[in-house]
Amino acid sequence: KAGVTQTPRYLIKTRGQQVTLSCSPISGHRSVSWYQQTPGQGLQFLFEYFSETQRNKGNFPGRFSGRQFSNSRSEMNVSTLELGDSALYLCASSLSGRQYEQYFGPGTRLTVT
Amino acid sequence: GQNIDQPTEMTATEGAIVQINCTYQTSGFNGLFWYQQHAGEAPTFLSYNVLDGLEEKGRFSSFLSRSKGYSYLLLKELQMKDSASYLCAVRDKDNQGGKLIFGQGTELSVKP
Repeated sequence: KAGVTQTPRYLIKTRGQQVTLSCSPISGHRSVSWYQQTPGQGLQFLFEYFSETQRNKGNFPGRFSGRQFSNSRSEMNVSTLELGDSALYLCASSLSGRQYEQYFGPGTRLTVT
Repeated sequence: GQNIDQPTEMTATEGAIVQINCTYQTSGFNGLFWYQQHAGEAPTFLSYNVLDGLEEKGRFSSFLSRSKGYSYLLLKELQMKDSASYLCAVRDKDNQGGKLIFGQGTELSVKP
């Protein structure tokens, strides 16, 4: 079974731009969570989607948003990029009833200049 | 709020046993998780504890004491490939989904 895939793997943007990242979960997984990982803050939860609905949300500003499609694929968008948004963005998928066991994708490395 | 503490770095010798501790403070509790992350790779799930006690899975074991807000990950028969960051994460009681709060991780170096 294919793992979680994320595209693109690397991205360079300038301040003020916006970016959209994509995540395709493992087949059959309906829950998708997004995390931001930085050396200083570690892994921080952004949001979780289940059946196209946002189920949980972390403490990030409204510039960070996401959505999930009917095939469980998810996208996250960051508008008005700031230098501090440079990070590894990871998505993770899990089975219904087994949300404790999350499978992470390889991540998208975003650099904001 | 939620707070998770674990040591920043640890060093151990190949073949030995190492224990990585994690203490947490949460508004309610609904599970503690351990993940392993090799440099440049995604985290991978190791274990899940929701009740007190020890969960054993091969060379890895995880212990939980809810009354003490304490967990540890025990790695036996250390191998060089165990060099990685070990992440402790918790889920609060109101959360049945996939929202995990992670600690900063413990960087384990296994020496020959």
